[in-house]
Amino acid sequence: GENVEQHPSTLSVQEGDSAVIKCTYSDSASNYFPWYKQELGKGPQLIIDIRSNVGEKKDQRIAVTLNKTAKHFSLHITETQPEDSAVYFCAASYQGSQGNLIFGKGTKLSVKP
Amino acid sequence: DTGVSQDPRHKITKRGQNVTFRCDPISEHNRLYWYRQTLGQGPEFLTYFQNEAQLEKSRLLSDRFSAERPKGSFSTLEIQRTEQGDSAMYLCASSFPHRGAQYFGPGTRLTVL
Repeated sequence: GENVEQHPSTLSVQEGDSAVIKCTYSDSASNYFPWYKQELGKGPQLIIDIRSNVGEKKDQRIAVTLNKTAKHFSLHITETQPEDSAVYFCAASYQGSQGNLIFGKGTKLSVKP
Repeated sequence: DTGVSQDPRHKITKRGQNVTFRCDPISEHNRLYWYRQTLGQGPEFLTYFQNEAQLEKSRLLSDRFSAERPKGSFSTLEIQRTEQGDSAMYLCASSFPHRGAQYFGPGTRLTVL
C-alpha cells in the first residue's frame, strides 16, 4: 500500500523567512496530493492541493510542487508569519480527492517573531 | 458556520464502556469519511460513506467499531467495549461528489481510562 514520508519533523524559522516541507510517496498510482494545517485542538485545515497532471500550484504565500518521476512533492511558504506556526501534514491518494488519504507524520513549524 | 461539525468534542470513558460519536457533514457533501489520529501522528483512514452506503473499511476498524449514515446526512461512529488503545482523536471529513477536496471537522477526543 501507499506510504508517505515527511521531512523535517520540526522546523523553526524567523518571521519573514521561507519554509519548505518535503514529502515522498511510494505508490506511483497516487494522483492527488493535499496539504493540511493543524492548530492545537483543531481539525486539519486544507491549505492547498495538487493533482498529478500539474507540476506546480501557487496560492498567495503558499506553493506546492510535484515531481512525479521522483515521487516527491513539497510545500513552500514564503514571508512566514507567527500565525503560520502549526503542524503541517502532507497526504496522498490514488483515487483522486475522493479517495482515502494517506498522511505523513507531520511537520511542526515554529515561526519566531 | 457551515463547516463539518462533530459532537461531543471530548469524551472520557472507562475501559469496557461503549461510546458513540456524531458527525454532521457540510450540507450537499455526499461523501463522509472517518479518520483516527493519535498523538504525534497523521490521521489514519477508518471508513467512508457515499450517501448512506459504506463503501470501504480499513483493517484498523475492528469488530468493536461500527459506523452508520442512515439517511445519507449525519453519521455516527460507535466503539463497543472500549480499550485504552482506542484513546485518540476521531476526525470526520466530507467532500462534494466528483473531484471535491476533503474538509475536516474539529474532531472528538476520546480518552479511555
